[in-house]
Amino acid sequence: EADIYQTPRYLVIGTGKKITLECSQTMGHDKMYWYQQDPGMELHLIHYSYGVNSTEKGDLSSESTVSRIRTEHFPLTLESARPSHTSQYLCATRQGKQEPTGYTFGSGTRLTVV
Amino acid sequence: SQKIEQNSEALNIQEGKTATLTCNYTNYSPAYLQWYRQDPGRGPVFLLLIRENEKEKRKERLKVTFDTTLKQSLFHITASQPADSATYLCALMMDSSYKLIFGSGTRLLVRP
Repeated sequence: EADIYQTPRYLVIGTGKKITLECSQTMGHDKMYWYQQDPGMELHLIHYSYGVNSTEKGDLSSESTVSRIRTEHFPLTLESARPSHTSQYLCATRQGKQEPTGYTFGSGTRLTVV
Repeated sequence: SQKIEQNSEALNIQEGKTATLTCNYTNYSPAYLQWYRQDPGRGPVFLLLIRENEKEKRKERLKVTFDTTLKQSLFHITASQPADSATYLCALMMDSSYKLIFGSGTRLLVRP
């Protein structure tokens, strides 16, 4: 049973629309991440958060924004979608212990902007 | 900046054989290196983590080696099965921030 949930799984939307991709986790982890992945390509970090009210931009520049009002929720928003935003968006969490652990990923949202 | 190289060509092997996947990186060695499995249309699944001061790590049929001199990690699946067919991603964890940098992955096909 998944402990991290992303909705929707698939989204096809017109240019200029505002969209929010949802990511929720039930593990109580402080660390959460958003990655972007094009087919056959590597994942690129676009946003991360180390706890409530903490958000940072990742290594890949993105026009999206994120918020972290609650520990379990880390939504990603695009104010005006464009075809260049077409991609798979993956949310992940990690325990905030001193010793690093693997990430737990959601199933992703495949976004198509037409 | 750090660059990760994984063989972009698919690895095609017979069931029962050992699959060996390679991950090479440039620049400085990471504190930790991780391997993930990704199935089509799904998020990656964590498999193994190895520290820079560890040479080898095992988990069931999986084995990872880490050579900081060669700047290389090898990922082995022994007694491979068709269910092992997937894309395998190498990821580096560079510093105290514990952010991950991913390679583009190698696709493994195990023939029955």
